[in-house]
Amino acid sequence: AQTVTQSQPEMSVQEAETVTLSCTYDTSESDYYLFWYKQPPSRQMILVIRQEAYKQQNATENRFSVNFQKAAKSFSLKISDSQLGDAAMYFCAYRSARGGSNYKLTFGKGTLLTVNP
Amino acid sequence: NAGVTQTPKFQVLKTGQSMTLQCAQDMNHEYMSWYRQDPGMGLRLIHYSVGAGITDQGEVPNGYNVSRSTTEDFPLRLLSAAPSQTSVYFCASSKQGAGNQPQHFGDGTRLSIL
Repeated sequence: AQTVTQSQPEMSVQEAETVTLSCTYDTSESDYYLFWYKQPPSRQMILVIRQEAYKQQNATENRFSVNFQKAAKSFSLKISDSQLGDAAMYFCAYRSARGGSNYKLTFGKGTLLTVNP
Repeated sequence: NAGVTQTPKFQVLKTGQSMTLQCAQDMNHEYMSWYRQDPGMGLRLIHYSVGAGITDQGEVPNGYNVSRSTTEDFPLRLLSAAPSQTSVYFCASSKQGAGNQPQHFGDGTRLSIL
């Protein structure tokens, strides 16, 4: 079974600065997908960014980018120019690319990000 | 387009009571699932369905039942509520096919069992 580990229960960053959230995962599969979800106090689950394991290029979405290291099974999220609205719980998630039950997401335990003005 | 709709948003139950959490999606998604979120535990999969008439267990299925009679609806039933089932419950759906398609989440149901 796959596991996802987020080693930082809490992180803080100053507004306008950069912060990196860590995520490692364990899998024996070679094809899979990785996601970062944001959960603000409103409780909504919002997709931040996704990465296909077969792609070597790191995904970027505006101020959000990832550092995907497949051999190291590492998938960190970098938030540049942090804004107050970035304050939230962030979840890293894994999804197999195999058929059948491959739509299940395995989540890490989350990192609570605080943005200080 | 409403997306994934969960009802109710909040509920308080007494131990031993039964209840059904409703989930409906209007995106014609084949895949639907239920997660529970507990402090420090992330989201854990309870049950999932890959289409009408097909359901399967996830990581923490005990105490919960599901059925999928239509593509749109995927209710979660608690037959005899226990305090350990106090949690926030999320329903999610996604289109089958490319696995990089994100799951769409409902807004969650906060359930308290006294």
